[in-house]
Amino acid sequence: NAGVTQTPKFQVLKTGQSMTLQCAQDMNHEYMSWYRQDPGMGLRLIHYSVGAGITDQGEVPNGYNVSRSTTEDFPLRLLSAAPSQTSVYFCASSLSGGQGETQYFGPGTRLLVL
Amino acid sequence: GEDVEQSLFLSVREGDSSVINCTYTDSSSTYLYWYKQEPGAGLQLLTYIFSNMDMKQDQRLTVLLNKKDKHLSLRIADTQTGDSAIYFCAENSNSGYALNFGKGTSLLVTP
Repeated sequence: NAGVTQTPKFQVLKTGQSMTLQCAQDMNHEYMSWYRQDPGMGLRLIHYSVGAGITDQGEVPNGYNVSRSTTEDFPLRLLSAAPSQTSVYFCASSLSGGQGETQYFGPGTRLLVL
Repeated sequence: GEDVEQSLFLSVREGDSSVINCTYTDSSSTYLYWYKQEPGAGLQLLTYIFSNMDMKQDQRLTVLLNKKDKHLSLRIADTQTGDSAIYFCAENSNSGYALNFGKGTSLLVTP
């Protein structure tokens, strides 16, 4: 198993540009989520999904869209990038999202918005 | 969400024990977690403890939970330079799905 994969690893955007951060898992996990990590802020939840066709907002959803058309993929879209979205983005998955389950994290995407 | 608090930095000598502390505020959390993040990498689950336990040991790792004080600690015995990383304490959020993370403790192990 490849686990949780994320692409790209690095990205530089100009303010106002759009892009999609890709996340895929091959463990047949129902639960997937996106976090952003900022210095001194820990990880904050952006959006999550408990299964194909179901998404919900986390703590900091503004400026981001998600969809879950398949179990394997959970892309994160930035429609109009802003410098405040400069961050490291992590995708995570677990079997069903239940308490006590191991959440597996991808290696992260480092995004710089100029 | 509820706040999870950790000290930001800890420095120890190789071979010594490290103790990383965490306080949480959500008394309904049923699981509490410790994650490790090495430079440039994602988070890796180290261990977790169920809220009805007060101690869990896993090789060099010992987790202590004081539910009354909402205090969680991670002890690493015989700390090695490879243990240098950021350690995150986390609890389940009210929804049960997401994790609330602390800001992380940077552990530096010196020879």
